[in-house]
Amino acid sequence: DTAVSQTPKYLVTQMGNDKSIKCEQNLGHDTMYWYKQDSKKFLKIMFSYNNKELIINETVPNRFSPKSPDKAHLNLHINSLELGDSAVYFCASRPDSQETQYFGPGTRLLVL
Amino acid sequence: AQSVTQLGSHVSVSEGALVLLRCNYSSSVPPYLFWYVQYPNQGLQLLLKYTTGATLVKGINGFEAEFKKSETSFHLTKPSAHMSDAAEYFCAVSEIPGGKLIFGQGTELSVKP
Repeated sequence: DTAVSQTPKYLVTQMGNDKSIKCEQNLGHDTMYWYKQDSKKFLKIMFSYNNKELIINETVPNRFSPKSPDKAHLNLHINSLELGDSAVYFCASRPDSQETQYFGPGTRLLVL
Repeated sequence: AQSVTQLGSHVSVSEGALVLLRCNYSSSVPPYLFWYVQYPNQGLQLLLKYTTGATLVKGINGFEAEFKKSETSFHLTKPSAHMSDAAEYFCAVSEIPGGKLIFGQGTELSVKP
C-alpha cells in the first residue's frame, strides 16, 4: 500500500553516464514534484507537474529532464552525469484540494 | 522572495526535556508553513502545517507550533522529548497553496538518555 514510491532506492554510476529515476504515486494526486537534497541536507525544488503539464521549472541544468507519461508517474532523466549530481532525489505528490506534499523515500544517487 | 532560517543546525536535549526548534521565515504574502521530519535514510513526513485560522497548530507525535506573524516565526515545540524523536527537522514555507516548498537548512535533534 505504498503511497509515493521511487525506483531505484540506490544508484551508483560513473561520470558521463545517463540514468533515470522513476516515481509513482497511487494516491490519485494531481501534482508531482522533484526535490534535490544535497550532502548538507539542503532541500531544493527542481520541477513540478500538474496533470502531466510542467508548472515549475527551477534553475536546473538542462541535463535534467522530467517526463510525466501520466498523472501517476513523474520520472527524472539525467544526461551526462557529473560528480555534483550526487545527492538524494525526492519525489512528492499533492492533491489539488490540499496544500500538503507527500514525499517518497528518496533515491540516493552517487556519481563516481 | 521567500526564505526560511532555522536557528541551530544541531539541537541536543535530554529525554523528557522540552524540545524547541526555531524557524523564522520571510514572505511577501501570508505564508503557508510546514514542519517535516526526516528519519535516517527515509523520506520526509509531515509533522504539522499552518494555513489559516488558529495560530497554534498541533501535529503528530505530540509536536505543536505557533505561527507568530509579528515575529515571522513558526517555532516547533514538544513538552517532553522521547528517544524516538531523534531525527532531522525541516521548516518550510510556501506562498500559494501547493506551491513550491522553500525549506530551511534543517535542524538535527539528538535526544540523550
